[in-house]
Amino acid sequence: DGGITQSPKYLFRKEGQNVTLSCEQNLNHDAMYWYRQDPGQGLRLIYYSQIVNDFQKGDIAEGYSVSREKKESFPLTVTSAQKNPTAFYLCASSMMKIGGNYGYTFGSGTRLTVV
Amino acid sequence: EDQVTQSPEALRLQEGESSSLNCSYTVSGLRGLFWYRQDPGKGPEFLFTLYSAGEEKEKERLKATLTKKESFLHITAPKPEDSATYLCAVQAPGTYKYIFGTGTRLKVLA
Repeated sequence: DGGITQSPKYLFRKEGQNVTLSCEQNLNHDAMYWYRQDPGQGLRLIYYSQIVNDFQKGDIAEGYSVSREKKESFPLTVTSAQKNPTAFYLCASSMMKIGGNYGYTFGSGTRLTVV
Repeated sequence: EDQVTQSPEALRLQEGESSSLNCSYTVSGLRGLFWYRQDPGKGPEFLFTLYSAGEEKEKERLKATLTKKESFLHITAPKPEDSATYLCAVQAPGTYKYIFGTGTRLKVLA
């Protein structure tokens, strides 16, 4: 079955440490996204990518980095510059077609906690 | 500023007690409004896409409607398994990005 796989499900980060969250999709979707979810707040966009080797900053990109070397993969690195990284991170993907408007498919999320 | 506001923040219903969730938006040139269901600790699950005022979509006990300024998610005779957070999102004009509301936490009591 096609879908999006995020790993790990739970991740613990020490102060000053960089960590990478994995996101892989086999839906042949062009666009991929990273969102952060905090209690009482809507999902906030971190980065998105519409094609391989290209990505754009979202609303809260500071302290994060991404790469898009393959269509299927869009890993997110949470750097030590991100001062409040504890959150639930969601990866999503969608098709892109001229004149089309397609909903997101989400992964199951990664819960990151600073220890 | 483009915004999506959902109300109420939380809703408790008895099993079988129908109600509606609201999603109001201030986005010019709406390209699509999306409803998702999210269970605790999981990613959102797609429910509906609405494109134009007057459009309606149904799935089991859920019915979504759209006007020029808001959308409603009607829940008819809910069951405990309908308990979840329901998220609304609109597509930002000229982009593939979504603007999400903060969600409505629904609890259906047996």
